[in-house]
Amino acid sequence: DTEVTQTPKHLVMGMTNKKSLKCEQHMGHRAMYWYKQKAKKPPELMFVYSYEKLSINESVPSRFSPECPNSSLLNLHLHALQPEDSALYLCASSSRQLQETQYFGPGTRLLVL
Amino acid sequence: DQQVKQNSPSLSVQEGRISILNCDYTNSMFDYFLWYKKYPAEGPTFLISISSIKDKNEDGRFTVFLNKSAKHLSLHIVPSQPGDSAVYFCAARPETYKYIFGTGTRLKVLA
Repeated sequence: DTEVTQTPKHLVMGMTNKKSLKCEQHMGHRAMYWYKQKAKKPPELMFVYSYEKLSINESVPSRFSPECPNSSLLNLHLHALQPEDSALYLCASSSRQLQETQYFGPGTRLLVL
Repeated sequence: DQQVKQNSPSLSVQEGRISILNCDYTNSMFDYFLWYKKYPAEGPTFLISISSIKDKNEDGRFTVFLNKSAKHLSLHIVPSQPGDSAVYFCAARPETYKYIFGTGTRLKVLA
């Protein structure tokens, strides 16, 4: 089973809202990732968690706040986003950080109005 | 500066024929390469990978070839099926860091 699930599938939010994206995997993977993908562009890495600790932050603005409550869950808290943050947000996991194949979830399509 | 390039944004192939998707990279330190397939409204699905110590890896209908001297990677799909129609991303991994994805090639397999 190589399934990574993400909720919600779609999200529309205003610039003053606070919302959260959720990602879950039950493969026993110890590395989890957040990517952002704009239309017709490749996925861009945002954050990496390894063994529930943040190990890489790709200079992402503080209006994006990741959280890893346990080894199966990864959240992305959103606050005061801009319209240009509208994108597909992808979660991925791998058995070890950056050394093994990453398996992606279906993504959350976010629209910021 | 795009370190991983997929110069063909789209490709159409007849069902049953071979599909060849290409990827070029600039950094000789990349040691691991992958191909992902992406359907609309879904996340990328891992297809096949290859380590830089190999020049070929095969999995069913999918074969990846690596030419290190040319810094070139290709994915062959034989025979192509309509269900293979998707966007294909190649990704490369620098020795100790993240995946770098290409811009994708949209494959359309015609029935």
